[in-house]
Amino acid sequence: AQRVTQPEKLLSVFKGAPVELKCNYSYSGSPELFWYVQYSRQRLQLLLRHISRESIKGFTADLNKGETSFHLKKPFAQEEDSAMYYCAHRDDTDKLIFGTGTRLQVFP
Amino acid sequence: GAVVSQHPSRVICKSGTSVKIECRSLDFQATTMFWYRQFPKQSLMLMATSNEGSKATYEQGVEKDKFLINHASLTLSTLTVTSAHPEDSSFYICSASGGPTYEQYFGPGTRLTVT
Repeated sequence: AQRVTQPEKLLSVFKGAPVELKCNYSYSGSPELFWYVQYSRQRLQLLLRHISRESIKGFTADLNKGETSFHLKKPFAQEEDSAMYYCAHRDDTDKLIFGTGTRLQVFP
Repeated sequence: GAVVSQHPSRVICKSGTSVKIECRSLDFQATTMFWYRQFPKQSLMLMATSNEGSKATYEQGVEKDKFLINHASLTLSTLTVTSAHPEDSSFYICSASGGPTYEQYFGPGTRLTVT
């Protein structure tokens, strides 16, 4: 079964520290992966997708097929980055399969 | 662009009654809409997928007679929770997709509380 795993429920760092939110997937084909962010009391919104190889708000994510990973990274965390982050995979029927999410807390 | 609204944002109903939640794509035509359920501090669980003009496809374990989904137009889908019970209390989120990238745009969610 296709699955997305986010092993950390909570990640706490201080402002300015590097951040890496882990995501692993299980899928035998070419995956289509996304990171979504949900700020407090706001709707879920797309942060970035692997096919566009973009950097949004300083975040990047590289697809590593060998490790079946799509970790989200930012070199210097900001307080406003505090939010829930969900890794997701779009399957063959266009459904999004979400990981369980990681709460990022950035302390001043 | 690509805004999805949900109405109501929160609703409280008595056990045994039915509740309708609307999901609208405000500035694009949504060929497909998705309904999710989110429990506190948990991930989104897909309940069903609906395409305009056809019956919804429900995920395993989701009762289609309890969660009625209608997608009558390219901008509106409704979820009706029939004969609601306290265990149906949850946060219901819809998303809509349309266009070449099939990106899903999410609504703000509806908090349902069944007393």
